[in-house]
Amino acid sequence: QVQLVESGGGLVKPGGSLRLSCAASGFTFSDYYMSWIRQAPGKGLEWLSYISGSADIIYYADSVKGRFAISRDNAKKSLYLQLNSLRAEDTAVYYCARAAVPGVGATLYWGQGALVTVSS
Amino acid sequence: DTVMTQSPDSLAVSLGERATINCKSSQSVFYTSNNKNYLAWYQQKPGQPPKLLIYWASTRESGVPDRFSGSGSGTDFTLTISSLQAEDVAVYYCQQYFSTPYTFGQGTNLEIK
Repeated sequence: QVQLVESGGGLVKPGGSLRLSCAASGFTFSDYYMSWIRQAPGKGLEWLSYISGSADIIYYADSVKGRFAISRDNAKKSLYLQLNSLRAEDTAVYYCARAAVPGVGATLYWGQGALVTVSS
Repeated sequence: DTVMTQSPDSLAVSLGERATINCKSSQSVFYTSNNKNYLAWYQQKPGQPPKLLIYWASTRESGVPDRFSGSGSGTDFTLTISSLQAEDVAVYYCQQYFSTPYTFGQGTNLEIK
């Protein structure tokens, strides 16, 4: 069965950096676009970024463009999100996610999330 | 960016009654080439990631009870729960995946009256 497990969350000071990882299993990782979606405490969902299976197509939401970087290692079946220049408003649970189909589609699979807290 | 606006923000419905949540997109999410609306509905319970209920605006995900249904096209969509059960208490989100960024509505908090 499909599993997505995030790691790397924690407490970081404003201006600091963090790298989130997502270990995938149960499917052919390289076939699928992968996404990061976040949710601030008590707030709604915000789609952040996606990366194609071969990493040749990448998109970022304006709120994180230039500060966050998505990447993947298909040999390790892992997805990453490098978070730089962190701000208090980046405090959120970060979900690794996969669509139901290899291309564009609704998000069927979600990890349990990694909490990132940005505070001095 | 496509703005997704849900109504109402909060809804209280009696057990066994119908619940209706609306979602309006600022741009059409209908793709004429394949005749599909790129619109999904999710259910989120406290402490859990969202769960996909409906995709392509009206296709129920496998395992989702048939009391959940989606309708609409273009810019106006509706999620209907035909007979509310206690386990349906949750926050519901719509999302468009027609154009990046794949924006979500602000969420509708569904409670029991």
